[in-house]
Amino acid sequence: DSGVTQTPKHLITATGQRVTLRCSPRSGDLSVYWYQQSLDQGLQFLIQYYNGEERAKGNILERFSAQQFPDLHSELNLSSLELGDSALYFCASSAEGRNTIYFGEGSWLTVV
Amino acid sequence: GENVGLHLPTLSVQEGDNSIINCAYSNSASDYFIWYKQESGKGPQFIIDIRSNMDKRQGQRVTVLLNKTVKHLSLQIAATQPGDSAVYFCAEKASGTYKYIFGTGTRLKVLA
Repeated sequence: DSGVTQTPKHLITATGQRVTLRCSPRSGDLSVYWYQQSLDQGLQFLIQYYNGEERAKGNILERFSAQQFPDLHSELNLSSLELGDSALYFCASSAEGRNTIYFGEGSWLTVV
Repeated sequence: GENVGLHLPTLSVQEGDNSIINCAYSNSASDYFIWYKQESGKGPQFIIDIRSNMDKRQGQRVTVLLNKTVKHLSLQIAATQPGDSAVYFCAEKASGTYKYIFGTGTRLKVLA
């Protein structure tokens, strides 16, 4: 157990809908990262937050947004969902001054 | 994309043999590298890391080798066990950045 908690574990929704994925980082970790993993593909970096502020942005679509709250948990919002958005979405966290990032178990999103 | 791969390379090894998984990284400015293990339906699990000022680091049954000249990273697993069956990813990070770039991944199959 990495200490990173993600909910929900599984989610099935229809095209055009909006969902929110939630992440609680490891205790004390200030940085949160979001990654997308499609079937048989590598991990695509979406976005990173540090202590509530956006720090780095990757290949995140405009339909997607994220935020990190004062209690350090983070949410990834996916809107106007398309079939191609079906994937595993991972959250990861790291401690201040440390390079290693630890992943949660992921949220499996299926868009039908 | 940075790590697109519908067909993961697969390494099949006999139980008890040593495994060597290779990774070519892309950025000569990368100074920190991590190996992750991902079992089916689970999040990537940290195995071992290495900084660019080292060329070898050992953990429990695992060794990471770094060759900066040819931008190559390898993970050696000693006495491979059935529980080692998974997809293994390398990740690189450049100094002063917060973005981790993941490799395509290699599927390790351990044969009984």
